[in-house]
Amino acid sequence: EAGVAQSPRYKIIEKRQSVAFWCNPISGHATLYWYQQILGQGPKLLIQFQNNGVVDDSQLPKDRFSAERLKGVDSTLKIQPAKLEDSAVYLCASSPIWGRYNEQFFGPGTRLTVL
Amino acid sequence: AQSVAQPEDQVNVAEGNPLTVKCTYSVSGNPYLFWYVQYPNRGLQFLLKYITGDNLVKGSYGFEAEFNKSQTSFHLKKPSALVSDSALYFCAVRAGTGANNLFFGTGTRLTVIP
Repeated sequence: EAGVAQSPRYKIIEKRQSVAFWCNPISGHATLYWYQQILGQGPKLLIQFQNNGVVDDSQLPKDRFSAERLKGVDSTLKIQPAKLEDSAVYLCASSPIWGRYNEQFFGPGTRLTVL
Repeated sequence: AQSVAQPEDQVNVAEGNPLTVKCTYSVSGNPYLFWYVQYPNRGLQFLLKYITGDNLVKGSYGFEAEFNKSQTSFHLKKPSALVSDSALYFCAVRAGTGANNLFFGTGTRLTVIP
């Protein structure tokens, strides 16, 4: 079974530039998550999708971050414009169905450096 | 509010010795508890979870964890550590009701010394 795919793996940008990350979850997984992991911290949920609908985006800085999952499969996360404090690893995860007891399957992440 | 505490940033253990990585939690209602491991330049991998039932949960790679409701703890254990167990370990909690967010601790770096 193929895992969660993410691209790019690394990105370096200047502050105020825009950046987009792509995620392809495990086939058949209805729930998709985006996390931000700042160095030395645990992952923090940014947004959660159930199929192509948003379940929870309460932690997403909506003035600069946006995410979509138009066809209920792959997803993109965008930052526009980026700030220095956005430097982090962005992790995508998926799970088969929505449920509190389901473990999540994580991709390798995209390491973003904002200069 | 939900939270997870991993009181040790770093744990060192000799190969072959038992290891323990500590985790305590705070959550409203019944907790769903998870352990994940992160190797360098890789995403988090699921190790084990506690949902209900037996307080001792067994997971991947010989790891197990004990749920202690009175101490609100979910410590990760392994009887005999391997050098390949060296990695970053995260404890996470999700509440049984209310917000569905999975809250992660800050992680514990385990180093197994040959």
